[in-house]
Amino acid sequence: NAGVMQNPRHLVRRRGQEARLRCSPMKGHSHVYWYRQLPEEGLKFMVYLQKENIIDESGMPKERFSAEFPKEGPSILRIQQVVRGDSAAYFCASSQGGGLNTEAFFGQGTRLTVV
Amino acid sequence: GQNIDQPTEMTATEGAIVQINCTYQTSGFNGLFWYQQHAGEAPTFLSYNVLDGLEEKGRFSSFLSRSKGYSYLLLKELQMKDSASYLCAVNAGNNRKLIWGLGTSLAVNP
Repeated sequence: NAGVMQNPRHLVRRRGQEARLRCSPMKGHSHVYWYRQLPEEGLKFMVYLQKENIIDESGMPKERFSAEFPKEGPSILRIQQVVRGDSAAYFCASSQGGGLNTEAFFGQGTRLTVV
Repeated sequence: GQNIDQPTEMTATEGAIVQINCTYQTSGFNGLFWYQQHAGEAPTFLSYNVLDGLEEKGRFSSFLSRSKGYSYLLLKELQMKDSASYLCAVNAGNNRKLIWGLGTSLAVNP
């Protein structure tokens, strides 16, 4: 039973390019959460998705960032026209249910570097 | 505002006991999580408290006092592999919009 899989593990993009980060939740999990961890800062919530629905995107910047979790396939976090400040580790977590005490499992993260 | 405070760094000796404190001020409260994160790795779940009191799970225990906005993580019989960052996170809303502390970096020395 594979855990949460994120790819790529490391991604380098030039300013202005697009970054696509993928997250495959654990088998049987239909709830996905994206977090960003900037250097020397704590994890910050970005977006909470269920299959084909965005439940809460209040932590995601209004411009350039988008997320989806289609019926088939992984969840995608897309960052358009990346800037240096987007350099961070992006973690995805998944859970079986949306209950507040439901354990969420994290992926290894994607480390985005914008040069 | 929303705020989670933890000590930045702690040091302890192998075999000893260490307590990592976390205080929080949030607009709401629907539970507090502790996660362990080794450098460059994913956070892994340790505990969840929503009611006051102590939850024990093997070598790790977590305590919560909602009236004081306070929690601690207690690690017993420390091992070298326990050297990691310990993250306190509060669920302040109705979903998993967790508010995270900056983490406490624990160094376990022989």
